[in-house]
Amino acid sequence: EIVLTQSPGTLSLSPGERATLSCRASQSVSSSYLAWYQQKPGQAPRLLIYSASSRASGIPDRFSGSGSGTDFILTISRLEPEDFAVYYCQQYDSSPPGFTFGPGTKVDIK
Amino acid sequence: QVHLQLSGPGLVKPSQTLSLTCAISGDSVSSNTAAWNWIRQSPSRGLEWLGRTYYRSKWYNDYAASVKSRITINPDTSKNQFSLQLNSVTPEDTAVYYCGRGPVVVGYYYIDVWGKGTTVTVSS
Repeated sequence: EIVLTQSPGTLSLSPGERATLSCRASQSVSSSYLAWYQQKPGQAPRLLIYSASSRASGIPDRFSGSGSGTDFILTISRLEPEDFAVYYCQQYDSSPPGFTFGPGTKVDIK
Repeated sequence: QVHLQLSGPGLVKPSQTLSLTCAISGDSVSSNTAAWNWIRQSPSRGLEWLGRTYYRSKWYNDYAASVKSRITINPDTSKNQFSLQLNSVTPEDTAVYYCGRGPVVVGYYYIDVWGKGTTVTVSS
């Protein structure tokens, strides 16, 4: 089973700053299998990025994803007030089929 | 626009069966390109995918190893919904439960539509 680790656990930044979030897999993951979600308190997760670098419908271009193999990055170029939330990475296993999620990175206001 | 609406009891007694339903609008449970998932979230276990059902000329199910012996996911085509049954629950099954839609198309592996989530507490 592939385990995802996210760092840092908490990122304290100011609006306008750049956020760089890391997701590391315990073994190599196909880029097609890697997605990122945003979750705000009391809400369901929202898909931001799929296939490691493709933005989901309606997601602003300040969100970008990159990486391959075991190391993936979510970048928020300039933090807006609505971006302070928890971010999760997710990978898909094809055998047996299923999804696993990382523990999350909380981006809070400095 | 696809919308998913969860329903079911918020309190279940230990050893009993947790049952939830997810009603679909804007898509079909029999879609050839979608899979219908159950996910839960708790402070101790984080986000945990439980399983999915999907139709490709016949019905398929995939279940997480952690719950495979206790879970059943069924589609209901007459009501355009799908259900979760989790047997022999313990307090460890206390969580916010979500239903979600994801593509079942080669090259696309994510959940793009989520229901609002419902809290289920296992307690006597």
